[in-house]
Amino acid sequence: SQQGEEDPQALSIQEGENATMNCSYKTSINNLQWYRQNSGRGLVHLILIRSNEREKHSGRLRVTLDTSKKSSSLLITASRAADTASYFCATDSEGSTLGRLYFGRGTQLTVWP
Amino acid sequence: EAEVAQSPRYKITEKSQAVAFWCDPISGHATLYWYRQILGQGPELLVQFQDESVVDDSQLPKDRFSAERLKGVDSTLKIQPAELGDSAMYLCASSDPTGSQETQYFGPGTRLLVL
Repeated sequence: SQQGEEDPQALSIQEGENATMNCSYKTSINNLQWYRQNSGRGLVHLILIRSNEREKHSGRLRVTLDTSKKSSSLLITASRAADTASYFCATDSEGSTLGRLYFGRGTQLTVWP
Repeated sequence: EAEVAQSPRYKITEKSQAVAFWCDPISGHATLYWYRQILGQGPELLVQFQDESVVDDSQLPKDRFSAERLKGVDSTLKIQPAELGDSAMYLCASSDPTGSQETQYFGPGTRLLVL
């Protein structure tokens, strides 16, 4: 299975701290994406990093990609209580044009005020 | 900002009954996806449409699940008969092949409980 796996499964921090989540996947990819899901809601796209990129920033988000290790990390700096959500990495499959995404089980982030 | 619409938001049904979910993607998005998300897990693709054509239904349990997108716009996912194990969140997503095709926009989901 191509499905990514996030680590840790759950993360609990205080407001203002940084949160780091990791994702590992199994086969070669074109790109890797991170999505966020508030409890009982749909997913929201956060950031996409292509296989030829090593690092990308968007606001308080920083994503890294190491294709040699088939892993990625998502860093949220200066976390806020509103960042409390589940975070999923999603990968496609190299060479595929269908756009199908494979999601991991997610990391549940809780940020305490 | 345009959004993916889904209805109903919640559905409770008894096993062996039929149930249907509806999705209206963002206008102009030719690609539509139906996912199933079991509690505590990530979404898994059930079926993918390009316009009105199915391009991937390899994970769709075809003995009980069906999906259609007759005019290439909105879509319906049906389960008949429903089983206890079908209890899950059903998510619809769409993407724009003329833009950033890789990014998928998700609806709020339909939470199904089968009793």
